[in-house]
Amino acid sequence: DAKTTQPPSMDCAEGRAANLPCNHSTISGNEYVYWYRQIHSQGPQYIIHGLKNNETNEMASLIITEDRKSSTLILPHATLRDTAVYYCIVSGSSNTGKLIFGQGTTLQVKP
Amino acid sequence: GAGVSQSPSNKVTEKGKDVELRCDPISGHTALYWYRQSLGQGLEFLIYFQGNSAPDKSGLPSDRFSAERTGGSVSTLTIQRTQQEDSAVYLCASSLEVAGGRPQETQYFGPGTRLLVL
Repeated sequence: DAKTTQPPSMDCAEGRAANLPCNHSTISGNEYVYWYRQIHSQGPQYIIHGLKNNETNEMASLIITEDRKSSTLILPHATLRDTAVYYCIVSGSSNTGKLIFGQGTTLQVKP
Repeated sequence: GAGVSQSPSNKVTEKGKDVELRCDPISGHTALYWYRQSLGQGLEFLIYFQGNSAPDKSGLPSDRFSAERTGGSVSTLTIQRTQQEDSAVYLCASSLEVAGGRPQETQYFGPGTRLLVL
C-alpha cells in the first residue's frame, strides 16, 4: 500500500472550517483514500473515503486533486468534539482490507 | 444496531501470565481485524480473519500471540507468557465484503482493551 504524509499537528478555531491535507504521491490507480479519526481513549472512527471524485457526507468533505497525489479533508464547522487524531490512509490494493496507519494529524479545535 | 464490543475493557496482569482478549464483531460482518496501539505509537495491524480462517497473520509480533475465531463471529486474541512490552491497547474491527469477496476498508472499531503488564 502507498504511504501518506500528513502534518503532525494543526489548530482550528471553533466554528471555522478545518482543512487537513494529505500527500499520497505514490498512490496507484485502484487505491482509495480513506480518512479515519481517533478521539482520545476511543477506537478509530471511519469518516469518509474516495477514489477520484470529491465526496461529501454528514461528517466531512473529501477533495482529491486531479492527479490523485494529494487530498484534503474538510470539516466545515469544527466543534470542540472534533479534537482528535486524523489518519489519511491509502488502501485497496490488498485482498485483506487491512489498514496501515501512519502518525496522523492531531487536530486541536480551540474555543 | 450494536457496534463492535470488546472485553475486558481493562486488564492488568503480571509478567509471565497468559491473557485472553475477546471481540464481538457487528452481526453479519465476515471480516475481522485485530490491531495494537502502544503508548505513543500508531496503530499496527496484527491479524485478519475472513470467516473463521486467518489468511493474514503477518502482524503478530511473536509466537506468544495467537488468535482464533469461531462461528464466523466472536474472536479471541491470546497472549501467552506476557511481557511488559505487550502493554498496549488492543483494538478489534470488523467490516463487510465488497462484491467478489474482498473486505471493505470501511471498518468499524471497538473501544479496545487496555492491557497493562506489570
